[in-house]
Amino acid sequence: QKEVEQDPGPLSVPEGAIVSLNCTYSNSAFQYFMWYRQYSRKGPELLMYTYSSGNKEDGRFTAQVDKSSKYISLFIRDSQPSDSATYLCAMKQGGSEKLVFGKGTKLTVNP
Amino acid sequence: AAGVIQSPRHLIKEKRETATLKCYPIPRHDTVYWYQQGPGQDPQFLISFYEKMQSDKGSIPDRFSAQQFSDYHSELNMSSLELGDSALYFCASTSTGQGEYEQYFGPGTRLTVT
Repeated sequence: QKEVEQDPGPLSVPEGAIVSLNCTYSNSAFQYFMWYRQYSRKGPELLMYTYSSGNKEDGRFTAQVDKSSKYISLFIRDSQPSDSATYLCAMKQGGSEKLVFGKGTKLTVNP
Repeated sequence: AAGVIQSPRHLIKEKRETATLKCYPIPRHDTVYWYQQGPGQDPQFLISFYEKMQSDKGSIPDRFSAQQFSDYHSELNMSSLELGDSALYFCASTSTGQGEYEQYFGPGTRLTVT
């Protein structure tokens, strides 16, 4: 079993929809949680960064971390066709430099 | 804003050859990370450097080595290349000395081994 599980999708939604992306993890030592957006053949682009549990909002994006359930989420409001990409969750434990990624969810927002 | 720079962007090598990938971190970032992403896979951590010292090591083959230089740029040296080494290689950077942990990725080097 992978340390980080993420449904690969694909996920297809109409423009303007609210998108919910999720990851679960098994390592309770993870403390730092990130969401990346990756367009085809490009580098991962950091969207959100959260330390420990809680919510964080940045424009149309909201990240949630529930450490008790080992579950993290990314919500995208008013989704746009330009949001079409693969979304990767990533996490890190204190004392380690290594980011552990989920497999990524491929999202398509249809005009 | 300045981003992580990687060179070359594309590289084609034959089996058993050697390749060198370069990474220039975001200015004032002191930590560099290397990741390998195979087709349809998530990035896998290879190695990291903080202030020119190796800080962590992942699934990096013995055929690969890396270092960080005094100007904080890093190079990944890959020898005895195998077909399975064909992948996207990403470099990421952050400013650990400033208590930052978010890793910012470069555009990647696409290595093809034939």
